Amino acid sequence: AQSVTQLGSHVSVSEGALVLLRCNYSSSVPPYLFWYVQYPNQGLQLLLKYTSAATLVKGINGFEAEFKKSETSFHLTKPSAHMSDAAEYFCAVSEGLGAGGTSYGKLTFGQGTILTVHP
Amino acid sequence: GAVVSQHPSWVICKSGTSVKIECRSLDFQATTMFWYRQFPKQSLMLMATSNEGSKATYEQGVEKDKFLINHASLTLSTLTVTSAHPEDSSFYICSARDQQGAKYFGPGTRLTVT
Repeated sequence: AQSVTQLGSHVSVSEGALVLLRCNYSSSVPPYLFWYVQYPNQGLQLLLKYTSAATLVKGINGFEAEFKKSETSFHLTKPSAHMSDAAEYFCAVSEGLGAGGTSYGKLTFGQGTILTVHP
Repeated sequence: GAVVSQHPSWVICKSGTSVKIECRSLDFQATTMFWYRQFPKQSLMLMATSNEGSKATYEQGVEKDKFLINHASLTLSTLTVTSAHPEDSSFYICSARDQQGAKYFGPGTRLTVT
């Protein structure tokens, strides 16, 4: 069984400040981990993913996340927040590739964290 | 915590047949549910937003007559893929929004059309 916990349903930062969104997971097998972002009235967009290669993963828009097995964490960070980063962020875990190796299989999502960026 | 279930978790059907996928919020009322489709190794694409008791709002490019969505109660939304074809094979995920605005995702349904 797999699960994801996102600490903090709302995070507020000032423009230019560090963004830290927390995600902890549990998985019975080595996990694949993802961060998705959802802007208002849009679908989920993949920010970055960890698939057992480098533990520090860089994604789009200056975001990165570090896989820490000992802490079962995959926190999302960005050194300097921008107003356009305001959105809802979802962490997700998959226990591997799906049928045929063409997808990431069953995804389990966290409950989401709404990021607000103040001027 | 809040739970959203989907049924079935995996379905295989023949080309030309229709398949219904259910999404249920088990311990809360969801006035709004969302249907997503995951393309291989890509992001989830929002297909439609369904509001209880009214017609679903489809995203641009999603065929309303092919992907029928019904949200008949505050705890159930269904997605019917009509006249399925192999290119409809995908992973379909629903999410439900509770009255506080929090979203909860279902475990997904894998559709394989042969």
